Amino acid sequence: EVQLVESGGGLVKPGGSLRLSCAASGFTFSSYSMNWVRQAPGKGLEWVSSISSSSSYIYYADSVKGRFTISRDNAKNSLYLQMNSLRAEDTAVYYCAGEGGYGDFIFDYWGQGTLVTVSS
Amino acid sequence: DIQMTQSPSSLSASVGDRVTITCQASQDISNYLNWYQQKPGKAPKLLIYDASNLETGVPSRFSGSGSGTDFTFTISSLQPEDIATYYCQQYDNLPFFGQGTKLEIK
Repeated sequence: EVQLVESGGGLVKPGGSLRLSCAASGFTFSSYSMNWVRQAPGKGLEWVSSISSSSSYIYYADSVKGRFTISRDNAKNSLYLQMNSLRAEDTAVYYCAGEGGYGDFIFDYWGQGTLVTVSS
Repeated sequence: DIQMTQSPSSLSASVGDRVTITCQASQDISNYLNWYQQKPGKAPKLLIYDASNLETGVPSRFSGSGSGTDFTFTISSLQPEDIATYYCQQYDNLPFFGQGTKLEIK
């Protein structure tokens, strides 16, 4: 069974930093691109960042470019999101989403999400 | 950036009704369009990929169609468990989600 388990969320002050993690199991993590997708409270879904299987290709939404860094450790079956210079508008549930094999940017694996709250 | 206009934003229908949601892209995206279902407090779930392909295990009452700029998502006979918010997502370039359609039972 595919499992994605996010961790690392919490309350942080504006301008602060946080590192999210996503632990994967039940599929060949090293073969697939991974993504972060977020959802502000009561709002819709927003794609945040993508990293290819070998970390060769990395993409960011304009809203987080220069502040967030995506990375992965295939040996540990883990995905990360380093978030710096956090703003109130970054408050959201952050989901780890995997591209399971249908192709680029088709998210068929999802974690349960971790809540990030940016507030003073 | 390619923008997605999803409509309606909310919809109330009766059990057994046929339900249709549309998504329009700001430019031609071929068939690079997916549909997701999100129930309250849960992660999204892929239902349809590449505009019309049903994800494994998804009931056949769900379907998708369209190409280019205009896409349609249909539930042929609404069931109580289909109450959720539905999102389209394009991936012609970088991914972008529609605003969502909240589906309620009348």
